Amino acid sequence: QQQVKQSPQSLIVQKGGISIINCPYENTAFDYFPWYQQFPGKGPALLIAIRPDVSEKKEGRFTISFNKSAKQFSLHIMDSQPGDSATYFCAASIRGNAGNMLTFGGGTRLMVKP
Amino acid sequence: DAGVIQSPRHEVTEMGQEVTLRCKPISGHDYLFWYRQTMMRGLELLIYFNNNVPIDDSGMPEDRFSAKMPNASFSTLKIQPSEPRDSAVYFCASSLFRQGNYGYTFGSGTRLTVV
Repeated sequence: QQQVKQSPQSLIVQKGGISIINCPYENTAFDYFPWYQQFPGKGPALLIAIRPDVSEKKEGRFTISFNKSAKQFSLHIMDSQPGDSATYFCAASIRGNAGNMLTFGGGTRLMVKP
Repeated sequence: DAGVIQSPRHEVTEMGQEVTLRCKPISGHDYLFWYRQTMMRGLELLIYFNNNVPIDDSGMPEDRFSAKMPNASFSTLKIQPSEPRDSAVYFCASSLFRQGNYGYTFGSGTRLTVV
């Protein structure tokens, strides 16, 4: 059972544009939703995370939007830059369960064209 | 802290050979996770440890795969015998389970190629 889906699989955006990645999930017990950023040759690194008691969290150009009723969360990258080109993974976990074990989405390969 | 350290960074081996991947977690972290990443299947959890004890190995694909954590600062993932379909990037991640801290720290991975 794929508990966290992710779309699109790949995304090409012009510099300065908005990148949007969506992650619907199935398990209503999830209560922690992080996003990871992975550059080639590197491991995924925590980018930003949200808990379900808020609908939005913003850190610089990166914003997570959370819709509990729709069981979906999204990453928005404003003013996308070539340096944002990477693979992005959404994830979800149940805090306090199994070491906060994360269930990952399939990843989105983002390319920002100059 | 140097972060999670994995070795080797790259491994090329012949089918049938034994392969051992190594991981040094962040000092003080009490959870360690092994993941495999492929284009087709994304990030797959293979096994995880809590305080050096294996908790869930249901993601280990076959008996050819085994993992150990003899102490808090070292873990290995062994494949014996290796097969071409094992080719992937293997990541180790560690975390500290405490309230307010829910993220993992990943290593840079080992790219395994079995020919």
